[in-house]
Parts: sequence; structure tokens; C-alpha cells
Amino acid sequence: KAGVTQTPRYLIKTRGQQVTLSCSPISGHRSVSWYQQTPGQGLQFLFEYFSETQRNKGNFPGRFSGRQFSNSRSEMNVSTLELGDSALYLCASSLGDGNEQFFGPGTRLTVL
Amino acid sequence: DQQVKQNSPSLSVQEGRISILNCDYTNSMFDYFLWYKKYPAEGPTFLISISSIKDKNEDGRFTVFLNKSAKHLSLHIVPSQPGDSAVYFCAASGVGGGSNYKLTFGKGTLLTVNP
Repeated sequence: KAGVTQTPRYLIKTRGQQVTLSCSPISGHRSVSWYQQTPGQGLQFLFEYFSETQRNKGNFPGRFSGRQFSNSRSEMNVSTLELGDSALYLCASSLGDGNEQFFGPGTRLTVL
Repeated sequence: DQQVKQNSPSLSVQEGRISILNCDYTNSMFDYFLWYKKYPAEGPTFLISISSIKDKNEDGRFTVFLNKSAKHLSLHIVPSQPGDSAVYFCAASGVGGGSNYKLTFGKGTLLTVNP
């Protein structure tokens, strides 16, 4: 089975711009979660989608949003980028019933 | 408010010896615990998990122990190998739906296994 894929792997943006990241889960997985990893804060949960519905949300501002498509692929959008948004953004998929989550390689976002 | 804590940022052991990584949690609603390993520039890789109904789970060289009363879990790697050198994250979740389908991570422990 192919693993979780994320595109792009690297991205450089400037403050004020917006960005869209994409995640394709493992085939058959219906849950997709997004995490932000920074050196100071570690891995922090952004949100989780299951069957095209946001089922769970972390403590991030409304500039961070996401969606899930009928094929379980998910996108994450960050608007009005700030320098502090520079991070590794990780996507994880699971069957959705509390099982283990499997992570993609991440998208490294740099905001200048 | 850090609900999952890994108090040792780093650990160094000799090849062939035991590595013990520790994790504490504060949220009594957590009932499912996982360990992930992460190499630089890669996503975390699932290692092993344990449900709160158990106190031990073993998979090859990896064993996770859970002490629910102390809200403490540990990962034992025996014998340690240089390829085990990575950052290890402890994570916790609550099984049962609603707001529990998220993982809360510790900040990680960098394990270095010296040849």
C-alpha cells in the first residue's frame, strides 16, 4: 500500500500571502489530521477531517482552515501568512475509529 | 498547559544496551498511548501503542509499559542499535469519538545510540 503523500514538500512564501497544502491519505483511510511542528512547540494538532466533515479542531486561529474531498484527500489553507507560520506541516491518516495515525513526510513552509 | 510531557530532551546509550524513554501525562481522559520515531526531514513513523486496559505491549525489540495510576509510560528498546538514533515522540488520545480523535504529543526525546 502506498503511504501518505504530501505536496509540495517545500514552499517559500512571503508575509501576507496565502498557501494551500495537499495530503493524500493511505487508500481506505477516511480520517485525515493535520499537525504543525515547530522547534519550540513540538507537534501541535490543527484539525481532523472524517468523511468530508471537520470532526475535531485544535487551538489555531481562523487563518488556518482545511477541507476534505469525497476521495478522502485533504487540503489545508493558511491565509495572511505570518513569519511564525514557518513550520513543518504534517498530515496523518487513519481508519478513523481511534486507530494509529500514519504520517506523511510533511511540507516545509518558510515565510519570509 | 502541556498534557503530555517528555522530560528528557535527549538520551545517549551504547549499542547493545537498553534504552528507556519516559513519558508522563496529566489528562485522565487519555486511554490510548502511542510512540513514534522521527528522523530529520521525515514524518513520524508509528512504533508501538498501548491501550489503557493493558500495562505492557511488546513488539520485537520494543516494549511499552503503562502505569495508569502514576500516569506514566515508558518505551524500552532492547538491544539498542545505531539505527534507532532518532527523536522519539510519546502521544496520547482518548478512544471513543467526539473530541478524542486527535493525538496530543510530547516534545520528543532525541535518542543517540553510540556504536
